[in-house]
Amino acid sequence: EAGVAQSPRYKIIEKRQSVAFWCNPISGHATLYWYQQILGQGPKLLIQFQNNGVVDDSQLPKDRFSAERLKGVDSTLKIQPAKLEDSAMYLCASSLAGGSEAFFGQGTRLTVV
Amino acid sequence: GEDVEQSLFLSVREGDSSVINCTYTDSSSTYLYWYKQEPGAGLQLLTYIFSNMDMKQDQRLTVLLNKKDKHLSLRIADTQTGDSAIYFCAESITGANNLFFGTGTRLTVIP
Repeated sequence: EAGVAQSPRYKIIEKRQSVAFWCNPISGHATLYWYQQILGQGPKLLIQFQNNGVVDDSQLPKDRFSAERLKGVDSTLKIQPAKLEDSAMYLCASSLAGGSEAFFGQGTRLTVV
Repeated sequence: GEDVEQSLFLSVREGDSSVINCTYTDSSSTYLYWYKQEPGAGLQLLTYIFSNMDMKQDQRLTVLLNKKDKHLSLRIADTQTGDSAIYFCAESITGANNLFFGTGTRLTVIP
């Protein structure tokens, strides 16, 4: 069974530029999550989707971050404009609806210079 | 709010047992997880335990839960160099939704 796919693996941008990350969850997983992991810390939830609807975006900095999951499968997370403090690993995860287990992708390492 | 604490570092010799500890504050936590993260990679789910259990064993891994003290531990038997990684404890009230992670324990296995 294919795992959670993310791209790109690495991205370096200048501050104030925009960037987008892509995630393809495990087939059949209705719930998709985006987490931010700053170096030396544990991951923190940014947003959770159930199919194509947002369940929880309370921790998403909405002035610069946006995410969508238009067809209830793939998702994109965008940052515009980026700040230095956005440098982090962005992890996508998925689970069955109401499931106990969340499976993570390999992440996208973002460096903002 | 939730708080999950872990010690930052642990070193063990190859072949010994490793014990990684975690404490949490939210008494509503229903699910407690252990994830492994190798350098530059995503998180791998190792195991999890429900709050109504006090022990779970899975091959070399043993999870112990002391709900009264809000203390969770992960024991790795016969630790190998491939076990070197960062181990995250996480808790949740509702399963996979909104996992709350600790800061991770970096395990170094000395050959």
